Amino acid sequence: AQKVTQAQTEISVVEKEDVTLDCVYETRDTTYYLFWYKQPPSGELVFLIRRNSFDEQNEISGRYSWNFQKSTSSFNFTITASQVVDSAVYFCALRGVGETSGSRLTFGEGTQLTVNP
Amino acid sequence: DVKVTQSSRYLVKRTGEKVFLECVQDMDHENMFWYRQDPGLGLRLIYFSYDVKMKEKGDIPEGYSVSREKKERFSLILESASTNQTSMYLCASSLAGLAVSYEQYFGPGTRLTVT
Repeated sequence: AQKVTQAQTEISVVEKEDVTLDCVYETRDTTYYLFWYKQPPSGELVFLIRRNSFDEQNEISGRYSWNFQKSTSSFNFTITASQVVDSAVYFCALRGVGETSGSRLTFGEGTQLTVNP
Repeated sequence: DVKVTQSSRYLVKRTGEKVFLECVQDMDHENMFWYRQDPGLGLRLIYFSYDVKMKEKGDIPEGYSVSREKKERFSLILESASTNQTSMYLCASSLAGLAVSYEQYFGPGTRLTVT
């Protein structure tokens, strides 16, 4: 069985602070994919990034960066110089390629990030 | 841009009613999914479909059924709505792939209240 844990239920920061959202996962598959999604107050989940298990390079996209470490089964997400528009619920998700049907994702519980002006 | 639309943003139904939630995607995606989202539980998969007329149970299928008669449309049915089905329902679609895992595109959600 797969599992994704986002231990931080809520985080509150002041604008321009850096913030890291933690994600820890469990899977028995040797090949798997990890995702981050953002859910703003409007409700629609927005895809942010996908990583496969063979690519441990960290990625940076503007103010966003992701740190993938297989040794600790973690895929953490950092927002640098946070802005009010970053306020949202962020979900980490996992899909193991060992599953044979569809493209099932297992989601974490989500982290509510509030960036205060 | 991929667009996934859901028939209603808000819905209020009475206990025992039959409820239909509709989802349509316009990108010819093979896979479609229904999730429910509850505080502290994240998104949980109810059902998914990887082809027309094909469906598979997700993690919490009890009390729900689905229908996929056309590729672009995936319906979630609550045969007899109960108060514990009050939740946010999210539909998603994606391309199919085993070797590559494609991201899912989500609709805006339907907030269902059962009274």
